[in-house]
Amino acid sequence: AQSVTQLGSHVSVSEGALVLLRCNYSSSVPPYLFWYVQYPNQGLQLLLKYTTGATLVKGINGFEAEFKKSETSFHLTKPSAHMSDAAEYFCAVTGSGNTGKLIFGQGTTLQVKP
Amino acid sequence: NAGVTQTPKFQVLKTGQSMTLQCAQDMNHEYMSWYRQDPGMGLRLIHYSVGAGITDQGEVPNGYNVSRSTTEDFPLRLLSAAPSQTSVYFCASRLGQDYGYTFGSGTRLTVV
Repeated sequence: AQSVTQLGSHVSVSEGALVLLRCNYSSSVPPYLFWYVQYPNQGLQLLLKYTTGATLVKGINGFEAEFKKSETSFHLTKPSAHMSDAAEYFCAVTGSGNTGKLIFGQGTTLQVKP
Repeated sequence: NAGVTQTPKFQVLKTGQSMTLQCAQDMNHEYMSWYRQDPGMGLRLIHYSVGAGITDQGEVPNGYNVSRSTTEDFPLRLLSAAPSQTSVYFCASRLGQDYGYTFGSGTRLTVV
């Protein structure tokens, strides 16, 4: 079984500051991990994913995440926040055993202050 | 290439009514899923499918049915609507487990 915990339902940063959104997962099999972004009144858009290989993955809009197996974490970062990054972010996990089940965390709302 | 199409976009139901939320994708994706989104609870998986003729329950399946007779379509049926089913429903599809989901634009359902 898989589960995801996102630490902090709201994160506020100043424009230009580092963005760090935390995600911890639980999985009984090697996980595949994803980050999605949702802008108001829209569907979800894939930011990046980790399946196998390099543990530091780069995504769209300057975001990246690092898979740390020992810490069961997959935190999302961006060196410098833009106003346009304000949105809700979701971490998700699926098991590598050919299951269609993708489980989401509760989401973190990112506020960017001018 | 329309992606994932959900209809209707908005719906108001009375308690006890039934209805079907439609979902269609034109990307030949094998995997499809239905989620509901409620404030503070993220997206919760209702049902999912790994191919035509194959469906399985997710985290919150009670009160919902699905079928997958074709690769393209994955309708979600509400058997007897309840106010607790007021939510935004998203359908999503992906090519395989290594791939991210493509999401539809959602159906906002209100049960009164």
